[in-house]
Amino acid sequence: GESVGLHLPTLSVQEGDNSIINCAYSNSASDYFIWYKQESGKGPQFIIDIRSNMDKRQGQRVTVLLNKTVKHLSLQIAATQPGDSAVYFCAETSGAGGTSYGKLTFGQGTILTVHP
Amino acid sequence: DAGVTQSPTHLIKTRGQQVTLRCSPKSGHDTVSWYQQALGQGPQFIFQYYEEEERQRGNFPDRFSGHQFPNYSSELNVNALLLGDSALYLCASSLIQGTGYTFGSGTRLTVV
Repeated sequence: GESVGLHLPTLSVQEGDNSIINCAYSNSASDYFIWYKQESGKGPQFIIDIRSNMDKRQGQRVTVLLNKTVKHLSLQIAATQPGDSAVYFCAETSGAGGTSYGKLTFGQGTILTVHP
Repeated sequence: DAGVTQSPTHLIKTRGQQVTLRCSPKSGHDTVSWYQQALGQGPQFIFQYYEEEERQRGNFPDRFSGHQFPNYSSELNVNALLLGDSALYLCASSLIQGTGYTFGSGTRLTVV
């Protein structure tokens, strides 16, 4: 079935380093991708998104790269801080019924630990 | 501006019982989706409601049912609870014509 998977289940970095979290997806029909951050006891929090007609999008300290050829997504976090420690999920979706979006398919998640 | 509100935050049920979880969407949102998140896993889509009807459904048995009310709030009902139903249940709201999803903090269900 459709799935979105992550290459690394855990990532440990030092404060100030740049972090890269990777994600592979299998549904070539997906046209919208989202990265979420989930802290303990909380729901997923939106970080950044990208549509399939783009290959890069930048936010504040975060960049998402999309490679549709190999169906790969990555999240880059610059100058990682202890507050960035959390579980990061990629998710994909596609337009359901033409103009609106339906279910999100999530990957397993990567645990990011930032050491002071 | 209130985000997505879910209740209760935690509850414990016995196998075979029934449970109802509630969700109030973010102000202005008209669509509600429910997800099940087992420990150490990513959320799994259960179903989505819009205009009080189930619009999409994931791979979950009929024991899982839902409802959306005219004020856009929603309920998730699970019958004949199994131990494997123990999970964090997340509600996400959105606009039917939009792509932004806002998640609540979830309801932690433990089945004993």
